Amino acid sequence: DTAVSQTPKYLVTQMGNDKSIKCEQNLGHDTMYWYKQDSKKFLKIMFSYNNKELIINETVPNRFSPKSPDKAHLNLHINSLELGDSAVYFCASSQRGSLADTQYFGPGTRLTVL
Amino acid sequence: AQSVTQPDIHITVSEGASLELRCNYSYGATPYLFWYVQSPGQGLQLLLKYFSGDTLVQGIKGFEAEFKRSQSSFNLRKPSVHWSDAAEYFCAVGAQGGSEKLVFGKGTKLTVNP
Repeated sequence: DTAVSQTPKYLVTQMGNDKSIKCEQNLGHDTMYWYKQDSKKFLKIMFSYNNKELIINETVPNRFSPKSPDKAHLNLHINSLELGDSAVYFCASSQRGSLADTQYFGPGTRLTVL
Repeated sequence: AQSVTQPDIHITVSEGASLELRCNYSYGATPYLFWYVQSPGQGLQLLLKYFSGDTLVQGIKGFEAEFKRSQSSFNLRKPSVHWSDAAEYFCAVGAQGGSEKLVFGKGTKLTVNP
């Protein structure tokens, strides 16, 4: 059983398009995260949700909008895609969002904007 | 704000040799410290973490790390490397009582020669 799953695994699209990435966790965790890993492998948090409530919202363009329909799902919608959005996006989850809790990462979604 | 430096971008060792990956952090108080491993095409997996107490922390896959407050370091070690350890390794720091977010270093790529 996959603990944290993401779809799609690969996403290739044109500049200006709108796309979504989906994330689901079956661990019963309360907190979910989105991270962006750039071409240099630098990993940075974008958002976190705890029980469907936005907790962390880093300096991310408002073209990025996370949505949490329930605490097992956290989707990422990106409007008007730009070349600089090309990256690997990781979803993660943890029990309560405390740093004492282990974060479990999904396999990543590689987004390529042409 | 906390930050993490991993001075080595790429390290190559022979199988069976010992390994030490360096990590230095910047944070005013006692941090939460983590090491994650990312195998090619995979998400991140927690190797070990330090919050308090014994400064030598044991993790999975035979890894250990030592917290040295005087040097602001949290270096990862393994006495004998296996070919399957080839991966990207990330050190991360979290602020106690802060925003409960992880700040990652830029990673060290480990290559293992047969």
